[in-house]
Amino acid sequence: DAGVTQSPTHLIKTRGQHVTLRCSPISGHKSVSWYQQVLGQGPQFIFQYYEKEERGRGNFPDRFSARQFPNYSSELNVNALLLGDSALYLCASSLEYGGAWGEQFFGPGTRLTVL
Amino acid sequence: AQRVTQPEKLLSVFKGAPVELKCNYSYSGSPELFWYVQYSRQRLQLLLRHISRESIKGFTADLNKGETSFHLKKPFAQEEDSAMYYCALYTGTASKLTFGTGTRLQVTL
Repeated sequence: DAGVTQSPTHLIKTRGQHVTLRCSPISGHKSVSWYQQVLGQGPQFIFQYYEKEERGRGNFPDRFSARQFPNYSSELNVNALLLGDSALYLCASSLEYGGAWGEQFFGPGTRLTVL
Repeated sequence: AQRVTQPEKLLSVFKGAPVELKCNYSYSGSPELFWYVQYSRQRLQLLLRHISRESIKGFTADLNKGETSFHLKKPFAQEEDSAMYYCALYTGTASKLTFGTGTRLQVTL
């Protein structure tokens, strides 16, 4: 298993455009979470999906949306891009939702640059 | 609201010296805390979790609820310990990890 995979690796967009980021979880993992990591900061929680339903949302505007597919892969969509959206977007998968396990497996991230 | 504070952006130690990476948290519930590590050109990965009370790569961390701290310690630093370390607080309402800003550990000869 290659672990969590994300595509694309890098992306350059201009202000006002829309972007879609993709994530494939580890086989057997049903939960996917998305994080934004701005340079010099720790990852910040955006969304969590489990069994195709949104189970958690961080403090991000409605321009950010996501979904999870029947095969548990996920997409993160960002509309009307702003310069401040430039960041590394991390996807993490875990076996289940909730509970005391806490371990999430992270992908390599997608580096988004907004010009 | 939950918060994780890592006061040091950079910690530089000599090989063989003790290491302590500080982490303080604020959370009204029962905390579940973790240390994640990111080595150069590698992805973020779990180092240890407080509920396991384990030692990984010589690192240990004890949860101190009175001081709301979860400091990461290692008695003798190795060059391969050089990495970015993030303390994270897990809240079970969502599978949400709240991360600190991270501390870069630099181990020099």
